[in-house]
Amino acid sequence: EAGVAQSPRYKIIEKRQSVAFWCNPISGHATLYWYQQILGQGPKLLIQFQNNGVVDDSQLPKDRFSAERLKGVDSTLKIQPAKLEDSAVYLCASSLERTFYNEQFFGPGTRLTVL
Amino acid sequence: SQQGEEDPQALSIQEGENATMNCSYKTSINNLQWYRQNSGRGLVHLILIRSNEREKHSGRLRVTLDTSKKSSSLLITASRAADTASYFCATGKTGANNLFFGTGTRLTVIP
Repeated sequence: EAGVAQSPRYKIIEKRQSVAFWCNPISGHATLYWYQQILGQGPKLLIQFQNNGVVDDSQLPKDRFSAERLKGVDSTLKIQPAKLEDSAVYLCASSLERTFYNEQFFGPGTRLTVL
Repeated sequence: SQQGEEDPQALSIQEGENATMNCSYKTSINNLQWYRQNSGRGLVHLILIRSNEREKHSGRLRVTLDTSKKSSSLLITASRAADTASYFCATGKTGANNLFFGTGTRLTVIP
């Protein structure tokens, strides 16, 4: 079974520039998550989709971050404009369904450096 | 803010020894999960324990959960160099459908 795919793996941009990350979840997984992991910390949920609808985006900085999941499969996360503090690894995860006991499968992440 | 806090922040042991990591959390949960993260394989799910369970085993892993103390422990027995990684606890809160990750324990197993 193919895992969660993410691209690019690394991205370096200057502050105030825009950047987009792509995620392809495991086939058949209805729930998709985007996490931000700052160096030395645990992952922090940014947004959760169930199929193509948003379940939770309470921790997404909506003034600069946006995400979409068209057709309930692939998803993109965009930052516009980027700030220095956005430097982090952005992890995408998926799970079978939106349940309380959900094992999440993570992609390799995109390491973003904002200069 | 994040739900869990792991203790210790870093742990260094010799190969073959046991490693114990602890996780404390603040609010009611319905499940607690442990994940491992290393540079080679990213973040990988290890084990899930439900709030009505007290202990669970999976291979060399043993997880305990004490809901009265709002704490969990992960024991890795007969550690191997390949166990070197960061270990995170993640809690599923009652009424929420996502996970809250702790700050992690960095485990180093010395060959």
